[in-house]
Amino acid sequence: DTEVTQTPKHLVMGMTNKKSLKCEQHMGHRAMYWYKQKAKKPPELMFVYSYEKLSINESVPSRFSPECPNSSLLNLHLHALQPEDSALYLCASSQDRLGDTQYFGPGTRLTVL
Amino acid sequence: ELKVEQNPLFLSMQEGKNYTIYCNYSTTSDRLYWYRQDPGKSLESLFVLLSNGAVKQEGRLMASLDTKARLSTLHITAAVHDLSATYFCAGINAGGTSYGKLTFGQGTILTVHP
Repeated sequence: DTEVTQTPKHLVMGMTNKKSLKCEQHMGHRAMYWYKQKAKKPPELMFVYSYEKLSINESVPSRFSPECPNSSLLNLHLHALQPEDSALYLCASSQDRLGDTQYFGPGTRLTVL
Repeated sequence: ELKVEQNPLFLSMQEGKNYTIYCNYSTTSDRLYWYRQDPGKSLESLFVLLSNGAVKQEGRLMASLDTKARLSTLHITAAVHDLSATYFCAGINAGGTSYGKLTFGQGTILTVHP
């Protein structure tokens, strides 16, 4: 089973709202990732968690706040977003950071009004 | 910092024809990945190439890796409409603070028409 699940599938929020994206995997993977993808562009890495610790933060604005409550779950908390943050947010996981294949979830399509 | 470039960025193919997508990368990458993305969907892993000379095939797609030339290719044989998608190659940063970070190419939008 190589499934990564994400909820919600779609999210519309105002600039003053607080919302969270959720990602879950049950493959025993110890590395989890958040990516942002704009239309017709490649995914851009936002955060990497390795063994539940934040390993990489790609200089993401503080209005995005990641959280890894346990090895199977990854959240992305959103607050005071801007319209330009509208994008597809993809979660991925891999066995660890050492170059194993990353498996992607279906994504959350976020629209910020 | 690893940079990955694909070409062509747009590829319109006739069914039954062959073509190759090229992926060049700038510095050492431990591995090279190919992903497929259908419109509005997530990324599907196609191949991971681990070493120089590696060749992998799945159906009408064949990927290869030349680490000396820092080049990977994705060859499409006898294209069919179902192959229409965006194809990304990605390298992985081998060290430093970005260890394990995937860097994607721009993507190749492939359209197969009758």
